[in-house]
Amino acid sequence: GAVVSQHPSWVICKSGTSVKIECRSLDFQATTMFWYRQFPKQSLMLMATSNEGSKATYEQGVEKDKFLINHASLTLSTLTVTSAHPEDSSFYICSARSQGQEIDQYFGPGTRLLVL
Amino acid sequence: GQNIDQPTEMTATEGAIVQINCTYQTSGFNGLFWYQQHAGEAPTFLSYNVLDGLEEKGRFSSFLSRSKGYSYLLLKELQMKDSASYLCAVLDSNYQLIWGAGTKLIIKP
Repeated sequence: GAVVSQHPSWVICKSGTSVKIECRSLDFQATTMFWYRQFPKQSLMLMATSNEGSKATYEQGVEKDKFLINHASLTLSTLTVTSAHPEDSSFYICSARSQGQEIDQYFGPGTRLLVL
Repeated sequence: GQNIDQPTEMTATEGAIVQINCTYQTSGFNGLFWYQQHAGEAPTFLSYNVLDGLEEKGRFSSFLSRSKGYSYLLLKELQMKDSASYLCAVLDSNYQLIWGAGTKLIIKP
């Protein structure tokens, strides 16, 4: 149980285009989802926390107009990188947890984004 | 501020034992996690400590001392597949994970 999927796993796009990444909890209701970004040889950096049905809370330094997060249902959150640039190339990972289970956070497999 | 320190890189020999240390200073503490991450993959859960002491799980053990803000991950009988990055993360008072930079473990035959 407690499986989180991400789609796509790999995406290559041209500079200036937008890319949408989906994060799904397959067998539990994810009241909270987290979006992380990881650059090579660095640790995970939390970008934002989203609770189902409400606006995401962004970490300092993360542009909310550039990284649009939607958490419209208990099993799906999306991250849209708008007007992507080469510096947005990174490994994006989502994680999810259910209400009352603050300890357990389940990670998706990650999405590697390459912006040309 | 919040800070988690762990060595950047360690090297060990197949079949040996290695200890990866982690020290932390965070606003509140609701437990400490160790994750394993292979290149290009998401982290996978190894252990969770919230009370002082040693937790053993097969070849892997994790130790916590809350008074010292210190933890270690002990890997025994090292195998080549253990080559990976090991991430220390603390769950703070807001139940948010604070991540260390990770320790890259290189296993040599």
